[in-house]
Amino acid sequence: DAGVIQSPRHEVTEMGQEVTLRCKPISGHNSLFWYRQTMMRGLELLIYFNNNVPIDDSGMPEDRFSAKMPNASFSTLKIQPSEPRDSAVYFCASRATGEGYGYTFGSGTRLTVV
Amino acid sequence: QKEVEQNSGPLSVPEGAIASLNCTYSDRGSQSFFWYRQYSGKSPELIMFIYSNGDKEDGRFTAQLNKASQYVSLLIRDSQPSDSATYLCAPYEKAAGNKLTFGGGTRVLVKP
Repeated sequence: DAGVIQSPRHEVTEMGQEVTLRCKPISGHNSLFWYRQTMMRGLELLIYFNNNVPIDDSGMPEDRFSAKMPNASFSTLKIQPSEPRDSAVYFCASRATGEGYGYTFGSGTRLTVV
Repeated sequence: QKEVEQNSGPLSVPEGAIASLNCTYSDRGSQSFFWYRQYSGKSPELIMFIYSNGDKEDGRFTAQLNKASQYVSLLIRDSQPSDSATYLCAPYEKAAGNKLTFGGGTRVLVKP
């Protein structure tokens, strides 16, 4: 099992550019989560999907953020246009259904917007 | 707004001692909890899931749930320098449909 795979590991972009983060969940996991982590705000849930359907996007900070899950093995988080305050580590996590199943995190994408 | 609070630390512990971490929560409906460990620059990793039926031990880790006082604790026995990390608490809310909200984490430093 390769775990949750995120790409890229690091992204440096200029303000105003579009950024796309990618995630491949663990096969068989039917829930996928996007988190953002900063020193000031900790680990924040942005959006999550159950069976490829977005369930709760109340954590998405602005309309500049969007997420999709076109199939069970792939999800994207897009920021357009990016701003310096979007600089953070973005984690993707996946989970199987049922109480007690842990959330497995990917290695994260460190985004720096200059 | 459901709150999960943790002392940010750092909690400094001598090697071999017991580290005691607490997490308080505001939602009385929260009955079970995840504890995650996060090393600096790494992603969170699951170390414990405690159900509503009380204490749970796993190796040097013991999680304790006190529903009356609405807190859950994590004890690390025989602390090692490799235990130096941030420990994150998150209540599992079945009614929230898989949603997991983390506390701010407690940073633990184990000194040799």
